[in-house]
Amino acid sequence: QKEVEQDPGPLSVPEGAIVSLNCTYSNSAFQYFMWYRQYSRKGPELLMYTYSSGNKEDGRFTAQVDKSSKYISLFIRDSQPSDSVTYLCAMSVGNYQLIWGAGTKLIIKP
Amino acid sequence: SQTIHQWPATLVQPVGSPLSLECTVEGTSNPNLYWYRQAAGRGLQLLFYSVGIGQISSEVPQNLSASRPQDRQFILSSKKLLLSDSGFYLCAWGGSTEAFFGQGTRLTVV
Repeated sequence: QKEVEQDPGPLSVPEGAIVSLNCTYSNSAFQYFMWYRQYSRKGPELLMYTYSSGNKEDGRFTAQVDKSSKYISLFIRDSQPSDSVTYLCAMSVGNYQLIWGAGTKLIIKP
Repeated sequence: SQTIHQWPATLVQPVGSPLSLECTVEGTSNPNLYWYRQAAGRGLQLLFYSVGIGQISSEVPQNLSASRPQDRQFILSSKKLLLSDSGFYLCAWGGSTEAFFGQGTRLTVV
């Protein structure tokens, strides 16, 4: 079993819909949770960062962590075609290493 | 602000040839530096990390090596490339909870 599971998709939704991207994990020691987006042939860009449990909102993006279920989510409201990239989750216990999901390819249909 | 430079963007090398990928960081001192490899449809695999000059830790034994000759310079090398070394290589800097990436090098070994 991988430490972090993420459905690679692709996930296809109509423009304007609410998108829900998810990762599950097995290591209860993870304390730091991140979402990155990655454009084709580019390095990942940090999108959201959350420490421990709870929600964090930034514009159209909301990151949610449920440590009791070992489950994190990224919600995108009012989705737009420009949101059509790959989203990767990552998490850490606070040492040097981030553990990564495989990434979900998102497609927003106009 | 901090910036990270990685080059070249693409590289095609024959099997058995040497490799040298370079990464430099600006705007920060004594950063943690990382080399990752990303296979298509898969998450990021940590190859090497460094917490200081001359300090290299390897995560995955393989045909590659890394060096840090200066505080903000990180080099990924190979003496003889294998076909299996093809992939997308990413340099990153950061701490234990976040990572900031270069643009990546797409290496094709032929």
